[in-house]
Amino acid sequence: SQQGEEDPQALSIQEGENATMNCSYKTSINNLQWYRQNSGRGLVHLILIRSNEREKHSGRLRVTLDTSKKSSSLLITASRAADTASYFCATVSYQAGTALIFGKGTTLSVSS
Amino acid sequence: GAVVSQHPSWVICKSGTSVKIECRSLDFQATTMFWYRQFPKQSLMLMATSNEGSKATYEQGVEKDKFLINHASLTLSTLTVTSAHPEDSSFYICSAGPQTGASNEKLFFGSGTQLSVL
Repeated sequence: SQQGEEDPQALSIQEGENATMNCSYKTSINNLQWYRQNSGRGLVHLILIRSNEREKHSGRLRVTLDTSKKSSSLLITASRAADTASYFCATVSYQAGTALIFGKGTTLSVSS
Repeated sequence: GAVVSQHPSWVICKSGTSVKIECRSLDFQATTMFWYRQFPKQSLMLMATSNEGSKATYEQGVEKDKFLINHASLTLSTLTVTSAHPEDSSFYICSAGPQTGASNEKLFFGSGTQLSVL
């Protein structure tokens, strides 16, 4: 099962530009997390935002959460070629024993 | 920080053979671990929840006799792909956290295993 949908599915930008990815989910959540995955590798946890938070920052990352719309966005500012990766949002599924359920992901390509 | 070690990183096997993948929590105890599967250019799909000392909980559509899960200790869960076929070729990744509370705020992932079945 998958919890969320990300859009866009793919995003291509130039270095220095900002990248915005959106995620929608279906059920009530306790928190929403964003992960990054380089091609063929494991996941890197980027940021967690709790359901009572609306915005959170970490370095060049900015995450917003709108629980009324069941949506979240991830903004990467001043993108770099090294930001090229797939980005996934994930929420906890209580039906699946507190496992994280991932959205479909956005593939970001940053060209120099 | 907490580390989850997954082994092997990649494996190539002949059709019909079984492959075992290990997932270890190195510096914390995990009563619950999770196994995911990822096809190329797709997202991670939860396969099963591995529970220490009891049977694993499988997601709908995942064959429990095909994907055997053993969580024999608080630091080790194994996934065995039995009688592997080419359609089982995929990236398998495990995760675990030092807490199993509802928030699951601290969840760590193994580096994944790329399985190729010839």
